[in-house]
Amino acid sequence: EVQLLESGGTLVQPGGSLRLSCAASGFTFSNYAMTWVRQAPGKGLEWVSAISGGGGATYYADSVKGRFTISRDNSKNTLYLQMHSLGADDTAVYFCARDRISRVYASSWYAYWGQGSLVTVSS
Amino acid sequence: QSVLTQPPSASGTPGQRVTISCSGSSSNIGSNTVNWYQQFPGTAPKLLIYSSTQRPSGVPDRFSGSKSGSSATLAISGLQSDDEADYYCSAWEDSLNHWVFGGGTKVTVL
Repeated sequence: EVQLLESGGTLVQPGGSLRLSCAASGFTFSNYAMTWVRQAPGKGLEWVSAISGGGGATYYADSVKGRFTISRDNSKNTLYLQMHSLGADDTAVYFCARDRISRVYASSWYAYWGQGSLVTVSS
Repeated sequence: QSVLTQPPSASGTPGQRVTISCSGSSSNIGSNTVNWYQQFPGTAPKLLIYSSTQRPSGVPDRFSGSKSGSSATLAISGLQSDDEADYYCSAWEDSLNHWVFGGGTKVTVL
């Protein structure tokens, strides 16, 4: 059974940093691209970042480019999102999701999602 | 302002057919397939339709997707109270080189 479990969400001060993790199980992690999607309170889904199965290709939304870094450790079956210079607009539940193949691909979809991790940016 | 435009709400009575539109452009829906996700409050999104028209196993055939030009539509036939949820369309945006979502549509069963 495919399982994705996010962790690391917490209350952080404006301008602070935080690293989210997504522990994967039930599949060969390195065979699949992974993505982060966030949802601000009461708002819709916003795609944040994606990474290929081998980690060599990364993609970012303009809203986080230069501040967030996506990475993965295939030996630990874990996806990460390092976030810097956090602002109130980054307050959201962050979901990790699994792609259907190893590369980030236009004709793909996300069939598996984690339960989400809440990041609150506030003083 | 989402790249993909959805109506904020849709409603119907039990048994009715409800449709949700997703309007894009030639650089997203016009040149790529569309996925639809269903989300209940406090839970993760669930894949409902992929590749514009395909249903994952386990999704009732009451849900169907279509695409024409730069727009896509999700149809829910035989509306049930359990269908009350938020629905999001998603497609690859060629100009940004990443995925984009619609703003979401809240479906209410009257």
